[in-house]
Amino acid sequence: EVQLVESGGGLVQPGGSLRLSCAPSGFIFTSYWMSWVRQAPGKGLEWVANIKQDGSDKYYVDSVKGRFTISRDNAENSLYLQMNSLRAEDTAMYYCVRIDCSVSSCPFDYWGQGTLVTVSS
Amino acid sequence: QSALTQPASVSGSPGQSITISCTGTSSDIGGYNYVSWYQQHPGKAPKLIIYDVSNRPSGVSNRFSGSKSGNTASLTISGLQAEDEADYYCSSYTSSSTVVFGGGTKLTVL
Repeated sequence: EVQLVESGGGLVQPGGSLRLSCAPSGFIFTSYWMSWVRQAPGKGLEWVANIKQDGSDKYYVDSVKGRFTISRDNAENSLYLQMNSLRAEDTAMYYCVRIDCSVSSCPFDYWGQGTLVTVSS
Repeated sequence: QSALTQPASVSGSPGQSITISCTGTSSDIGGYNYVSWYQQHPGKAPKLIIYDVSNRPSGVSNRFSGSKSGNTASLTISGLQAEDEADYYCSSYTSSSTVVFGGGTKLTVL
């Protein structure tokens, strides 16, 4: 059974940093692109970043470029999101998501339950 | 990276069919068959229900179907059931290798 378990969320002050982690299981982690998707309270989904299987390619939404870094440790079977210079508008549930590129549209086929990040003074 | 455009809400009675539209540009929906749809119940993580415009993952009811014409994709749910009441999101890859979601549509089953 595929599982994605996020951790690392919490309350942080504006300008602060936080590192989210995701522990995947039930599939071969090194075979998949991975992603972070967020959802502000009461709002819609927003894609944040994607990372290739070997970490060589990364893509970000414009609003987090230069502040967030997606990374992975294939030896440790872990996905990360380093978030710096946090703003109030970064407050959201952050989902760790598996990407299935065995089909053309590379959909997000499995989602974790999310970890909540709150940026507030 | 502008969000795709979806109606904020739609509604229908049990047994009826409804369609949710998702409008983008030639740089996303119109340029590729990379449209996916997700269903999200309150307090739950999203679930993939359509990929590659019109394909269903294993286990998803055949009451869900997808299509595309030009820059607009559509999700149709036939034979509405109470359990279909949820938020629905479309998404597409873009020419910049990024991903864009629609704003979401709240489906109410009357």
